Amino acid sequence: GEDVEQSLFLSVREGDSSVINCTYTDSSSTYLYWYKQEPGAGLQLLTYIFSNMDMKQDQRLTVLLNKKDKHLSLRIADTQTGDSAIYFCAESPYGGATNKLIFGTGTLLAVQP
Amino acid sequence: KAGVTQTPRYLIKTRGQQVTLSCSPISGHRSVSWYQQTPGQGLQFLFEYFSETQRNKGNFPGRFSGRQFSNSRSEMNVSTLELGDSALYLCASSLRGQGSGEQYFGPGTRLTVT
Repeated sequence: GEDVEQSLFLSVREGDSSVINCTYTDSSSTYLYWYKQEPGAGLQLLTYIFSNMDMKQDQRLTVLLNKKDKHLSLRIADTQTGDSAIYFCAESPYGGATNKLIFGTGTLLAVQP
Repeated sequence: KAGVTQTPRYLIKTRGQQVTLSCSPISGHRSVSWYQQTPGQGLQFLFEYFSETQRNKGNFPGRFSGRQFSNSRSEMNVSTLELGDSALYLCASSLRGQGSGEQYFGPGTRLTVT
């Protein structure tokens, strides 16, 4: 079935690194995404990775993809209080034949000053 | 370049009424997808449009419908509203009909059904 799983909550101290994990189901997923949602707002695209890549780095963000285990992670370096939000991972299944995204339940990141 | 816009941002309706929500994608983007977000069910896919054609539909009742116009703007309609339709409705804009990579979301329309 279609089920993307994430842990519900992560708490870190300001300045530490945060790692948010996700497992997805469709081995044919072409793109895997990380979105950020702040209270009352829409989804902000943080980064995405194509399925033939293992890693992608974008400033403080590092995405790691393990296709064998269908595991995706997002590392935020030097986490700031402004990073407090809900983070969603999403997969683009069916070999990219559609733009449909399947989202995880979201991970609430709380950054303590 | 302007982002994805959704109107209205907030809406209060009564059970049994119908509602129409609008989404304008990023200029040049031809694909629009709609999602419903609720605390209980999370983010669920409603439908996807490309070049005025519905390409994919999620597991929602027929009360939920949509369309896309020649300028790529999209509308979704919910008829005979139920309390459970209260949600944040999000649309996403992407360049192509498949394998688009980047997908950008609008701020959403918050629908409250009383």
